[in-house]
Amino acid sequence: NAGVTQTPKFQVLKTGQSMTLQCAQDMNHNSMYWYRQDPGMGLRLIYYSASEGTTDKGEVPNGYNVSRLNKREFSLRLESAAPSQTSVYFCASSEFYGFGEKLFFGSGTQLSVL
Amino acid sequence: QQQVKQSPQSLIVQKGGISIINCAYENTAFDYFPWYQQFPGKGPALLIAIRPDVSEKKEGRFTISFNKSAKQFSLHIMDSQPGDSATYFCAASNPQFYFGTGTSLTVIP
Repeated sequence: NAGVTQTPKFQVLKTGQSMTLQCAQDMNHNSMYWYRQDPGMGLRLIYYSASEGTTDKGEVPNGYNVSRLNKREFSLRLESAAPSQTSVYFCASSEFYGFGEKLFFGSGTQLSVL
Repeated sequence: QQQVKQSPQSLIVQKGGISIINCAYENTAFDYFPWYQQFPGKGPALLIAIRPDVSEKKEGRFTISFNKSAKQFSLHIMDSQPGDSATYFCAASNPQFYFGTGTSLTVIP
């Protein structure tokens, strides 16, 4: 049972380059998320998708785009990478477990923009 | 502006001791307060959660204390073990999740 799978695990980009972070979940969850984690900042929501075909901005969406390709896959694209986008990126999906919403995170992508 | 404020940033506790991490919030629309645990190289995982209609929730060695009037909540880890060494994040949801800045806990043998 893979859960949430993210690729790649590591990436180095030069300023201005573009790339897409891939995410897939096998738990049949409707909601999916992209977070970034920075030292001293915690986890901040970039974009989320409440269901297939819908996407919404989170706290820090500038410089990013997303695509909910189908129920399983949610990708994050950096069109023109900047050093400020150096971070660890986490994809997550969620389900309601009777008490509240439970987030399931992937293992992260460490991105460096030079 | 940080929606959820977490302290301390780092914590060192002796094995068998009590670890306490504190969080505070301002938005009274938050109605769900989970704690996530993250080990190096892994994504965070749900540890324990509470809703504001109760003042305490306990699961094994982990307890959340919730003070609705003060808009504060805390995680207590009793009998702390080296395996508890991790980063802990508090969060608040309405329903979007807002995370604290994290606490790096080290439990020394």
